[in-house]
Amino acid sequence: EDKVVQSPLSLVVHEGDTVTLNCSYEVTNFRSLLWYKQEKKAPTFLFMLTSSGIEKKSGRLSSILDKKELFSILNITATQTGDSAVYLCAVVGPLLQGAQKLVFGQGTRLTINP
Amino acid sequence: SQTIHQWPATLVQPVGSPLSLECTVEGTSNPNLYWYRQAAGRGLQLLFYSVGIGQISSEVPQNLSASRPQDRQFILSSKKLLLSDSGFYLCAWRGRAKNIQYFGAGTRLSVL
Repeated sequence: EDKVVQSPLSLVVHEGDTVTLNCSYEVTNFRSLLWYKQEKKAPTFLFMLTSSGIEKKSGRLSSILDKKELFSILNITATQTGDSAVYLCAVVGPLLQGAQKLVFGQGTRLTINP
Repeated sequence: SQTIHQWPATLVQPVGSPLSLECTVEGTSNPNLYWYRQAAGRGLQLLFYSVGIGQISSEVPQNLSASRPQDRQFILSSKKLLLSDSGFYLCAWRGRAKNIQYFGAGTRLSVL
């Protein structure tokens, strides 16, 4: 059975700290891995990773994929209170009758205290 | 640009009542459409997906059904709600060219 596991499930840090969120997966026919940020409602897209070793970066956020060890990490440097959210990892698995299937992890709830 | 609309944002329904949640997408044609449910503190569970008008596939057996009467409209329904149907329901779309799904704002359903 396809599965995606995120760790830690919850993390509380102080503003300015650097955090690393983990995502490991076992998915048949892996195609790509996605990171989303969910504050209160809709998950918003952060990164899509397809190749190993190539870091994706957006401001203070960065992410990298290791397809040999089947994991990805999401780093956030100099955290701000606005980074508080649930971070979701999802892996694109096999097509379902022409539709893409995303397998989601449980999410990591990140809280940044001022 | 593409946008996705989902309503209502919040819904409180008694057990045994019917349900209809609607999702529409603008700015794209022939998208893949998806319904997910998110239980508190958990990831997203795929409920239904559709690759075209009238084409619905279900991932898990349940008390819910879905329909796609128009290219950019996706509806989640139930004839009689159960307590276990409570949760946060999210609609998503994906264009043909990319592997990225984009989500609506969600509907928080409480069945009492």
